[in-house]
Amino acid sequence: DVVLTQTPPTLSATIGQSVSISCRSSQSLLHSNGNTYLNWLLQRPGQPPQLLIYLVSRLESGVPNRFSGSGSGTDFTLKISGVEAEDLGVYYCVQSTHAPPTFGGGTKLELK
Amino acid sequence: EVQLVESGGGLVQPGRSLKLSCVASGFTFSNYGMNWIRQAPGKGLEWVAYISSGSSYIYYAETVKGRFTISRDNAKNTLYLQMTSLRSEDTALYYCARHPLFAYWGQGTLVTVSS
Repeated sequence: DVVLTQTPPTLSATIGQSVSISCRSSQSLLHSNGNTYLNWLLQRPGQPPQLLIYLVSRLESGVPNRFSGSGSGTDFTLKISGVEAEDLGVYYCVQSTHAPPTFGGGTKLELK
Repeated sequence: EVQLVESGGGLVQPGRSLKLSCVASGFTFSNYGMNWIRQAPGKGLEWVAYISSGSSYIYYAETVKGRFTISRDNAKNTLYLQMTSLRSEDTALYYCARHPLFAYWGQGTLVTVSS
């Protein structure tokens, strides 16, 4: 199975600070159909996860554009340009290029 | 509006069985693969099982293989997870989520395995 390694496990930020989360895959996530099925989710306390970014860099409808995704192959990054209070929670990368789907271990974003 | 609603969770003794359901609405259920994902208290997300749109492809996490069975009824827009030989480590909030983007999740149903 594909292993997704997220770093850092915890991130402390002030409001307005820009932060990045890394997700590294044990194998390339480029699908034979040309898509790369690497998505980013945010789970706020007491809530189910919500999709932020799909196919590496596409912003899900309704998600603020301070969120952006980048990367290719095995290395991917989620960037938040100007953290807001509502962004606190746990961020997960998830891949569905290879069966079975797998999740990263999560990155908890806290207020400093 | 896409909705996924899980049910069937509860308190169950070790070694017993439980069957979870996930009713889908707002999209053509038969066109999408579906997943079960669980989250133990205070822990991260753990993928549990996947079933393709026509049930031809099924995968399980090693931790549940041989004990859990995923299935679906496209006529009823419903996904199932039959869980047998339950263990304390299966205690978790169980979510269903639509494949492949994980764009839609239910609110989850809580399974507690305890004597």
